[in-house]
Amino acid sequence: DVVLTQTPPTLSATIGQSVSISCRSSQSLLHSNGNTYLNWLLQRPGQPPQLLIYLVSRLESGVPNRFSGSGSGTDFTLKISGVEAEDLGVYYCVQSTHAPWTFGGGTKLELK
Amino acid sequence: QIQLVQSGPELKKPGESLKISCKASGYTFTDYAMQWVKQAPGKGLQYMGWINTQTGKPTYADDFKERFVFSLETSASTAYLQINNLKNEDTATYFCASPRRGRPFAYWGQGTLVTVSS
Repeated sequence: DVVLTQTPPTLSATIGQSVSISCRSSQSLLHSNGNTYLNWLLQRPGQPPQLLIYLVSRLESGVPNRFSGSGSGTDFTLKISGVEAEDLGVYYCVQSTHAPWTFGGGTKLELK
Repeated sequence: QIQLVQSGPELKKPGESLKISCKASGYTFTDYAMQWVKQAPGKGLQYMGWINTQTGKPTYADDFKERFVFSLETSASTAYLQINNLKNEDTATYFCASPRRGRPFAYWGQGTLVTVSS
């Protein structure tokens, strides 16, 4: 199975600060069809996860554009340009290129 | 609008069985698969597998090939997760999620908390 390693496990930020989360895959996530199925989710406390970014860098409808995704192959990054209070929670990368789909271990974003 | 509404919390004893439901609305149920995800208390997300809502064929991740059964009631736009011979380690919140093209977890249910305790 594909292993996704997220760093850091915990991130402390102040409001307005820009932060980045890394997600590294044990194998390339480039599908034979040319797409890379790397996605980012946010789970706020007591809530189900929500999709933020799919296909590495495409913003889900309704997600603020302070969120951005980048990367290719095995290395991916989620960036938040100017953290807001509503961004606090746990971020997960998840790959859907290789069966079975797998999640990263999560990165908890908290206020400093 | 699109909604996935799951059944309520469950308290069970080891060895018992349960069946969780996930009712979809706002779209044609058989147009998209249904995924299942487990989250143990204080832990991360674990992919359990998915069911093809057109054929009813389930696909299970390795950790969920025994005791876990995905099923459908298409006339009611509902997917089910059955867990047999419950164990303490099955204590978790279980989520259903519906994908869209290129977006594997586009819509989520609210989660169902299952507690297994003697």
